[in-house]
Amino acid sequence: GESVGLHLPTLSVQEGDNSIINCAYSNSASDYFIWYKQESGKGPQFIIDIRSNMDKRQGQRVTVLLNKTVKHLSLQIAATQPGDSAVYFCAESNTDKLIFGTGTRLQVFP
Amino acid sequence: DAMVIQNPRYQVTQFGKPVTLSCSQTLNHNVMYWYQQKSSQAPKLLFHYYDKDFNNEADTPDNFQSRRPNTSFCFLDIRSPGLGDAAMYLCATSRGGVQETQYFGPGTRLLVL
Repeated sequence: GESVGLHLPTLSVQEGDNSIINCAYSNSASDYFIWYKQESGKGPQFIIDIRSNMDKRQGQRVTVLLNKTVKHLSLQIAATQPGDSAVYFCAESNTDKLIFGTGTRLQVFP
Repeated sequence: DAMVIQNPRYQVTQFGKPVTLSCSQTLNHNVMYWYQQKSSQAPKLLFHYYDKDFNNEADTPDNFQSRRPNTSFCFLDIRSPGLGDAAMYLCATSRGGVQETQYFGPGTRLLVL
């Protein structure tokens, strides 16, 4: 069946370093991908999205890369800050529903 | 600001006592979703409304029901909460259709005693 998974459940980075969070997806028909950030006790917050006709998209301090050949998605956070500490979910879709990955906890230490 | 609002933020209920969680949105979005999220897990879709059309997920228990009286409001009813229903319940909205971003509310954390 469809699944979206992450390679690392927890990622620890030093403040100021760049972070890379990875995600693998299995449905080659998926054509829309989103990264969400979820802080403790809050709902998921939209970070950035990308459509399948693109392989890279940049936002403020964040970049999403899509490799359709190997069905891999990554989120890069530049100059990671303490406020970036959260759980990050990737999600995929080819309908009006999202399929979420299992999440990666990003810990930022000084 | 346009947003998704959930009330209450925390809800305590007793085992077997019906409970209703509410969601409202000022985005005028066509689609409203209800998710269940347990600790350290991804959100799990329970059902969604596309306008007035209700779409239930195949594995959503009958204990969970939903109502959408108008565009702005959507309710999640848990008819007989069990201990396993303790979770965060998230409401989300989207304009509808494919490749549309879902925007989430802050969630309601349900505790079942």
